[in-house]
Amino acid sequence: QKEVEQDPGPLSVPEGAIVSLNCTYSNSAFQYFMWYRQYSRKGPELLMYTYSSGNKEDGRFTAQVDKSSKYISLFIRDSQPSDSATYLCAMNDNFNKFYFGSGTKLNVKP
Amino acid sequence: GAGVSQSPSNKVTEKGKDVELRCDPISGHTALYWYRQSLGQGLEFLIYFQGNSAPDKSGLPSDRFSAERTGGSVSTLTIQRTQQEDSAVYLCASRVTNQETQYFGPGTRLLVL
Repeated sequence: QKEVEQDPGPLSVPEGAIVSLNCTYSNSAFQYFMWYRQYSRKGPELLMYTYSSGNKEDGRFTAQVDKSSKYISLFIRDSQPSDSATYLCAMNDNFNKFYFGSGTKLNVKP
Repeated sequence: GAGVSQSPSNKVTEKGKDVELRCDPISGHTALYWYRQSLGQGLEFLIYFQGNSAPDKSGLPSDRFSAERTGGSVSTLTIQRTQQEDSAVYLCASRVTNQETQYFGPGTRLLVL
C-alpha cells in the first residue's frame, strides 16, 4: 500500500466550477500537509500548507485536513483556465522525508 | 532572487552509459532533495541531504544510483549503466531547515535509448 493515494484524473471542469481534489494517507504520524501545483514541463510549486487538522483559506483556494479519516482536500472556487495543471498532495511527519501523491491532472475549459 | 537550477534540462543517452545530473540549490538552503517523476506518476523520493549529516539514501532504487553534495551546496546525481526504465524527469528541491516549503528546480528530462 502506498503511503499517499491520489486519484490521477484527469479531471475536466468548465470555467467557474468548484473543484475538489483529494488524497488519502495511511501514516497517522503525518502532521504537515501540502498541496503543490505543477504546470507542464515545470517543477512543482507550493500552493498551500497546513499543520494538523483544520481548514486554511487563501484566495480561491481552501485546504482541509481530516486526520481522523486520514483525508485531505483542496478546493478551488471559481476555477480559471490558468488553474489547469497537475496538483500534487504531499505530507510529512515532522521529520525530513516528504511523501507525495501521484498527482491529479486538472483541465479547466474556457 | 535566484531559484533552484538544474542542468542539463534535457539529456538523451544510450543504454549502458553513465549520466551526471546537477542541482544548484538556493543559497543558504541546508536541505536538498532529489526526486524522480516518471510519466503520469508522482514524485518518488530518491535521496536527502541535510547540512553535514549523512544523507538519507533510502529512496535510491539500485546501487547504480548515487549522489553527492559538495561543500553543502551543489549536488550531483549519478546514474551508472543507465537502463531504459531510468527514463524520467529528475527533480531537485531545496529548503531551509525547519521550514516545510520545498523549492523545486525545473527538472532534468532523461531519456535512455
